[in-house]
Amino acid sequence: GAVVSQHPSWVICKSGTSVKIECRSLDFQATTMFWYRQFPKQSLMLMATSNEGSKATYEQGVEKDKFLINHASLTLSTLTVTSAHPEDSSFYICSARVTPGLAGGPQETQYFGPGTRLLVL
Amino acid sequence: GQNIDQPTEMTATEGAIVQINCTYQTSGFNGLFWYQQHAGEAPTFLSYNVLDGLEEKGRFSSFLSRSKGYSYLLLKELQMKDSASYLCAVMDSNYQLIWGAGTKLIIKP
Repeated sequence: GAVVSQHPSWVICKSGTSVKIECRSLDFQATTMFWYRQFPKQSLMLMATSNEGSKATYEQGVEKDKFLINHASLTLSTLTVTSAHPEDSSFYICSARVTPGLAGGPQETQYFGPGTRLLVL
Repeated sequence: GQNIDQPTEMTATEGAIVQINCTYQTSGFNGLFWYQQHAGEAPTFLSYNVLDGLEEKGRFSSFLSRSKGYSYLLLKELQMKDSASYLCAVMDSNYQLIWGAGTKLIIKP
């Protein structure tokens, strides 16, 4: 299947600093990537949809000025958590949409990166 | 509104069979997905159904009935490593995934 990587896998930072998380599709091009957040023992929550070459679409309640998303190429999307606070500590997961005909797959699906654990002190 | 329902938790015995149900009400339908998520890890893709019927893939099978808004994931010959959360998700008319809360499956020896 398609491979999606995320970097870093772990990050600990001080309150008030900014953190950038990268999401890469390694063996296919992804025009659409998604950013999720998951708190312990809770379901995935979609934060935003990232489209290559255009502005991201944010879900209700997600601050676009705090969670900056850039999808500058067909293989890379970045999420920057600006002025991070302890309540932003979470598991951030990206996924890339695979459409039929790409990456050798016959079906529409999303493949997830391994996730990034963010701890803000 | 959009809604995905699945049981919160299920328990099964090693070597047995378990069926995890999922019912959905969404605006549009472009397929139903099952993902497996081990604790502390990101979800991994298991199956995709867009037409009615059963899709078999090794020990795992997934069934879909679009008229009933219903799917199930069937796990056979359960192994301890199958202990995980199983997430049901439906792709709506905007190609967004609507997620269920997940079913935590506990396997006992």
